[in-house]
Amino acid sequence: EAQVTQNPRYLITVTGKKLTVTCSQNMNHEYMSWYRQDPGLGLRQIYYSMNVEVTDKGDVPEGYKVSRKEKRNFPLILESPSPNQTSLYFCASSLSPGARDTQYFGPGTRLTVL
Amino acid sequence: AQSVTQLDSQVPVFEEAPVELRCNYSSSVSVYLFWYVQYPNQGLQLLLKYLSGSTLVKGINGFEAEFNKSQTSFHLRKPSVHISDTAEYFCAVSNTGGFKTIFGAGTRLFVKA
Repeated sequence: EAQVTQNPRYLITVTGKKLTVTCSQNMNHEYMSWYRQDPGLGLRQIYYSMNVEVTDKGDVPEGYKVSRKEKRNFPLILESPSPNQTSLYFCASSLSPGARDTQYFGPGTRLTVL
Repeated sequence: AQSVTQLDSQVPVFEEAPVELRCNYSSSVSVYLFWYVQYPNQGLQLLLKYLSGSTLVKGINGFEAEFNKSQTSFHLRKPSVHISDTAEYFCAVSNTGGFKTIFGAGTRLFVKA
């Protein structure tokens, strides 16, 4: 089944404790992206990747890191999480980097930083 | 810079009634437009998209949207809603030559029996 998977689905952590949220897609998509969803703000893009080893900042990249060493994986790294990073995070992928392509979203990761 | 405004944060409607969810965008260049739906505790999935051509776009589950370039709008409509349409709906815009998608804040549709 074609899908985007994220792990973990739920995470509660404390300020400053490094964490990684994994994202994997099995559709051989070139483009992958991370969003955060906050009430009243919709989805805001954190980082995106147009292909292996090619990443760029989205609209809210502060406090986050990403890497794209393999085509299928795009982990999101929070080196020193803070309470304002408490949010619902979505990974998405699309066939090509072009803006016309449909994005396929993972099920989301709900992160709470205490 | 691009932006997307969804004019209603919540829309309550009775089952079998028609509904319109409003979306306006701003952009200085040509755009692609999307509507995504998010059911409770799930990720987003595409309802429909406008890339070019006919301004009336039909999507899944009986939804349609009309691209109005002069009014910079892309409103979503359904002639008769079902309880199962209860969800959050997001309008999104991308530059035709770009790589980023901007999402609106979302509209929660509540369908009541």
